[in-house]
Amino acid sequence: AQSVTQLDSQVPVFEEAPVELRCNYSSSVSVYLFWYVQYPNQGLQLLLKYLSGSTLVKGINGFEAEFNKSQTSFHLRKPSVHISDTAEYFCAVSDIAGGTSYGKLTFGQGTILTVHP
Amino acid sequence: NAGVMQNPRHLVRRRGQEARLRCSPMKGHSHVYWYRQLPEEGLKFMVYLQKENIIDESGMPKERFSAEFPKEGPSILRIQQVVRGDSAAYFCASSPIGGYEQFFGPGTRLTVL
Repeated sequence: AQSVTQLDSQVPVFEEAPVELRCNYSSSVSVYLFWYVQYPNQGLQLLLKYLSGSTLVKGINGFEAEFNKSQTSFHLRKPSVHISDTAEYFCAVSDIAGGTSYGKLTFGQGTILTVHP
Repeated sequence: NAGVMQNPRHLVRRRGQEARLRCSPMKGHSHVYWYRQLPEEGLKFMVYLQKENIIDESGMPKERFSAEFPKEGPSILRIQQVVRGDSAAYFCASSPIGGYEQFFGPGTRLTVL
């Protein structure tokens, strides 16, 4: 069975400061990794994904994440945040089954990022 | 290309009534997933469907909940005899065959009075 742990439920930060949102996972098989963002009363938008290849992946809105297989982590980073980045962020994993994604996503509990002026 | 559509966006039901939530996947997508987001909890997988087939329903409550994705028309998540604990946001996502990403709809927020 898979599980995802987002280590911080809330992260307050000042505008233009760097931020890191932490995510660790456990799985008995290889996985694909995703970060989604959810703005209030909206659906989820994909920020970035790791499928294979380079362990540093870049996404939208200036976010990036690094896959660390030995530490089973996939932390999300941004060097300088904006007020508009205030939202809830979800880390998710999906099993790789037979070379194609099985599809079912297992989500972490979410991290609420609040950017203060 | 329109995104994933869900309706209604908000649904209010009294205890004991039925709730029907609809999801139209993105054009060309044949896989549909339903997730539930309870207050103070993350998103939990409910069911994975392809056209006319339920592939995985391991996250569905054993009673009162059912899902379908007919050959024509939207996917339907049906909750019979709703209880207050069913109040949540229900999200649908779709992906194409062989696709690794899921694209989410805006969700249906169900309130049970």
